[in-house]
Amino acid sequence: QSVLTQPPSVSAAPGQKVTISCSGSTSNIGNNYVSWYQQVPGKAPKLLVYDHNKRPSGIPDRFSASKSGTSATLGITGLQTGDEADYYCGTWDSNLLSWVFGGGTKLTVL
Amino acid sequence: EVRLVESGGGLVQPGGSLRLSCAASGFSLDDYAMHWVRQAPGQGLEWVAGISWNSDNIGYADSVKGRFTISRNNGKNSLYLQMNSLRPEDTALYYCAKDALLGGATFTYTIHVWGQGTTVTVS
Repeated sequence: QSVLTQPPSVSAAPGQKVTISCSGSTSNIGNNYVSWYQQVPGKAPKLLVYDHNKRPSGIPDRFSASKSGTSATLGITGLQTGDEADYYCGTWDSNLLSWVFGGGTKLTVL
Repeated sequence: EVRLVESGGGLVQPGGSLRLSCAASGFSLDDYAMHWVRQAPGQGLEWVAGISWNSDNIGYADSVKGRFTISRNNGKNSLYLQMNSLRPEDTALYYCAKDALLGGATFTYTIHVWGQGTTVTVS
């Protein structure tokens, strides 16, 4: 059972937009920065978005994130088949004194 | 280019020990906090431990506290994870990762760059 809750799967057609939710509590999402990671099968996770919607160099602006209270959302526009992957949210938990992650969401581009 | 290369994984019996290493290049290790994160087969991500730039601040997941020890040698550009009293549930791919915050005083900000991982099997 993950501390952060994500939907197990989402799907959308190429070119469309999809959102992935991440629900937590005041000890994690509510008071700390949220990061979003993409993991293609067989590869290491890659940071997509962090802090207040910042993107590392090389990440296109098709990927964006928002936060409201104890929930966060990753948005992906202009979906491509190459976006098929598992997506994880993560953040520090000030009560557990540990990083916590969501269980992951599998994105299928139909 | 930032590069993290893990090594030291393998097959070990329950109760045994392993020491993982992570060789860092492409950046100044002493400018950043570092992490170990693991992923059991077919499962999600689990943070294992974090360490500040000067080792003054260290944290562990409850699942490994008292059994695992994270350390670093900035002069050798290396991060380590000593794993003792290993259990079958420690079986996973172990990733070394660099934090995003320049200065490295805390590992609570953002897990940024990940290595390719080294596999640990406890059986």
